[in-house]
Amino acid sequence: QQQVKQSPQSLIVQKGGISIINCAYENTAFDYFPWYQQFPGKGPALLIAIRPDVSEKKEGRFTISFNKSAKQFSLHIMDSQPGDSATYFCAARNYKLSFGAGTTVTVRA
Amino acid sequence: DVKVTQSSRYLVKRTGEKVFLECVQDMDHENMFWYRQDPGLGLRLIYFSYDVKMKEKGDIPEGYSVSREKKERFSLILESASTNQTSMYLCASSLTQTGPNSPLHFGNGTRLTVT
Repeated sequence: QQQVKQSPQSLIVQKGGISIINCAYENTAFDYFPWYQQFPGKGPALLIAIRPDVSEKKEGRFTISFNKSAKQFSLHIMDSQPGDSATYFCAARNYKLSFGAGTTVTVRA
Repeated sequence: DVKVTQSSRYLVKRTGEKVFLECVQDMDHENMFWYRQDPGLGLRLIYFSYDVKMKEKGDIPEGYSVSREKKERFSLILESASTNQTSMYLCASSLTQTGPNSPLHFGNGTRLTVT
């Protein structure tokens, strides 16, 4: 049973558009929420992360929004570029990381 | 830069064979992990190790074992491979407990096919 539910499974966005990926969890013991980015043929790599005492974190074009009461968090990719085409995984930590199912993002030029 | 190296990119084995997947990291990390990646299921933790000769079961340990004789090397063993173990296997390491100052560093994966 997946502890972190991620949606959508895939999305297509035009260059310059906004990509939004959502994750939800039940376990209130989770204390750290990273996002990993994976390109084809490569292992995932840390993209951005947030702690539950913060509602938003921004790094360049990537923003995490965190809603502790709703037990949801999301990744927004602003001004999406073809180079952002990848699979994105949300995760949550309770001693160890539990990952979502992944979202494949395709950015059309 | 941390480098996590998995010995094989592709592996084809027969049902019932004993299979070894090897992983080496070069940054003196304490923790090492084995995940499997399947479409629609994301990354699922098989086993992890927080010190030499120490191991702990992850979420899906059945059918697998691990070995960590040296700090830099973590091996995943399929005692008797089965077709439902066909998957992408990812090794990862972290300096200490995975967290803000200690992210997971992944290898590029081994795609195992069991026929």
